[in-house]
Amino acid sequence: SQKIEQNSEALNIQEGKTATLTCNYTNYSPAYLQWYRQDPGRGPVFLLLIRENEKEKRKERLKVTFDTTLKQSLFHITASQPADSATYLCALVHTGGFKTIFGAGTRLFVKA
Amino acid sequence: GAGVSQSPSNKVTEKGKDVELRCDPISGHTALYWYRQSLGQGLEFLIYFQGNSAPDKSGLPSDRFSAERTGGSVSTLTIQRTQQEDSAVYLCASSLKMTGGDEQYFGPGTRLTVT
Repeated sequence: SQKIEQNSEALNIQEGKTATLTCNYTNYSPAYLQWYRQDPGRGPVFLLLIRENEKEKRKERLKVTFDTTLKQSLFHITASQPADSATYLCALVHTGGFKTIFGAGTRLFVKA
Repeated sequence: GAGVSQSPSNKVTEKGKDVELRCDPISGHTALYWYRQSLGQGLEFLIYFQGNSAPDKSGLPSDRFSAERTGGSVSTLTIQRTQQEDSAVYLCASSLKMTGGDEQYFGPGTRLTVT
């Protein structure tokens, strides 16, 4: 069955360091991969989209990579700040379809 | 403009009762999604609507769940004969067009508690 895995353990890092979050998937051929941020008590907020034929995408301090051979995406936040503390969700959209499958998310804590 | 709104923000109901959850998408957005999020879990896809096309209901967990979208705008998710396992946050999202991969704009969610 289709499966998306994100590290269930919280990631704790020091302010100024780079945070790296992982999204792995199996039995899936996504056309698109998205990353969202979710704060407690709120709905997710879109951050970045990467297509299956793209290797890397950047937006300000954010960088996403997409390796369809490894079936993995890495999400990086450089020069992290305490305000970056949140849960980060990856989401896959299948080729030819629009149903979006979300991972459970990874909680990030950035300490000042 | 206004974002996606959902009502009520919180709903407590007794087991066996029916509930209706409402979603107002962003004006002009043709696609609308419903998801369910249990504590500590990811978002579970329930249903999506795109324009006048038949909705994709493949994520609805049982026939107690149904949804409709009137006039291509407001959507209502109905849960009949609620069970305790239905307790979760129900999130609605809309997107501008359904070419795939479009960013989804989420509402704040409705927290449903079945006692």
